[in-house]
Amino acid sequence: KNEVEQSPQNLTAQEGEFITINCSYSVGISALHWLQQHPGGGIVSLFMLSSGKKKHGRLIATINIQEKHSSLHITASHPRDSAVYICAVYAGGGADGLTFGKGTHLIIQP
Amino acid sequence: NAGVTQTPKFQVLKTGQSMTLQCAQDMNHNSMYWYRQDPGMGLRLIYYSASEGTTDKGEVPNGYNVSRLNKREFSLRLESAAPSQTSVYFCASSGGRNTEAFFGQGTRLTVV
Repeated sequence: KNEVEQSPQNLTAQEGEFITINCSYSVGISALHWLQQHPGGGIVSLFMLSSGKKKHGRLIATINIQEKHSSLHITASHPRDSAVYICAVYAGGGADGLTFGKGTHLIIQP
Repeated sequence: NAGVTQTPKFQVLKTGQSMTLQCAQDMNHNSMYWYRQDPGMGLRLIYYSASEGTTDKGEVPNGYNVSRLNKREFSLRLESAAPSQTSVYFCASSGGRNTEAFFGQGTRLTVV
């Protein structure tokens, strides 16, 4: 079973700051997901990546398959970015379904 | 485009009662999943269905049953609810491994 660790668990920053959230996993994978969950809300897929870097607006996700590590960056952070960010990978071992990190609770203060 | 729709959004049950959570997707996905989300823990897989007519246990299947009624619908049943099943439940679908996952809005279930 793949273990997924995220850091930090909680992060409070000021509007405009550059944000980095880290994710590491224990078993080799072929793809990693970054998800966003607003308080009381549903879960939205931000990125799925298997190598290199992807960018969408102010969000950038990178992955290093050899080091089993991924980062999610937010540039020019805004209060609307306040949410829980979740890293997830496929469980492996023949089982389908994602294994999730516990999430990073991000608060951006104006 | 509705995506993944799950019902109900909220439910309160008494211990021992039964209920079925409904999930439907309109993206022609083969794979569907039920997860639960508890405070301080990541989402955990309850059951999944890799294709119509097949279902398999995930990490925490005890106390639950599922039915893949057709390609669109995947239901989760609690036969005799217990307080330990108080959680937020999410249905998800995808085209399979290494494809984007789409989630429903969640069902907040409280068992008293």
